[in-house]
Amino acid sequence: SQQGEEDPQALSIQEGENATMNCSYKTSINNLQWYRQNSGRGLVHLILIRSNEREKHSGRLRVTLDTSKKSSSLLITASRAADTASYFCATDNQGGKLIFGQGTELSVKP
Amino acid sequence: DGGITQSPKYLFRKEGQNVTLSCEQNLNHDAMYWYRQDPGQGLRLIYYSQIVNDFQKGDIAEGYSVSREKKESFPLTVTSAQKNPTAFYLCASSIQGSYGYTFGSGTRLTVV
Repeated sequence: SQQGEEDPQALSIQEGENATMNCSYKTSINNLQWYRQNSGRGLVHLILIRSNEREKHSGRLRVTLDTSKKSSSLLITASRAADTASYFCATDNQGGKLIFGQGTELSVKP
Repeated sequence: DGGITQSPKYLFRKEGQNVTLSCEQNLNHDAMYWYRQDPGQGLRLIYYSQIVNDFQKGDIAEGYSVSREKKESFPLTVTSAQKNPTAFYLCASSIQGSYGYTFGSGTRLTVV
């Protein structure tokens, strides 16, 4: 079962622009996490936001969580060509196992 | 350096053959997971284990089997009962509680 749905499916921007990706989910959560995947590689954990938090920052990343709307967004500021990757949200409902969304494919053009 | 290692990177399976994918971690993580990823898709959970000698089915366990005899190791066997095994397989581990996962670099399995 897929919990998260991401929007957009694909995003193409110029270097220096900001990139925003959205994630919606269906059931209550303990936390929501964002991961990055370069083509053909494993996923890398970016940031975790707990259900009682509304916003979290890590470097150029900003994540928001709205539990009333069951949605989250990931903002990458001042994007670089090296940010080109797929980004996934994942929800931790209960029992510690994550359910992943379909992902957003981000392309940052130099 | 601590990490999680998957092997082999590429694996080819003939029809009717069982194959085993290796996953080893030296992070002292209690929990381990196997996911399957199809092209352009998200990850789907196959099996997970939160403690040695115990594991649970995920959303797509049919045609797969696992064992967890050691904390460090969580091998996945793709059996002949899995009719469409061609995919990218990812292993992950985590400590108990609400923390992020550490992923291996994946095994790409192809049926020939």
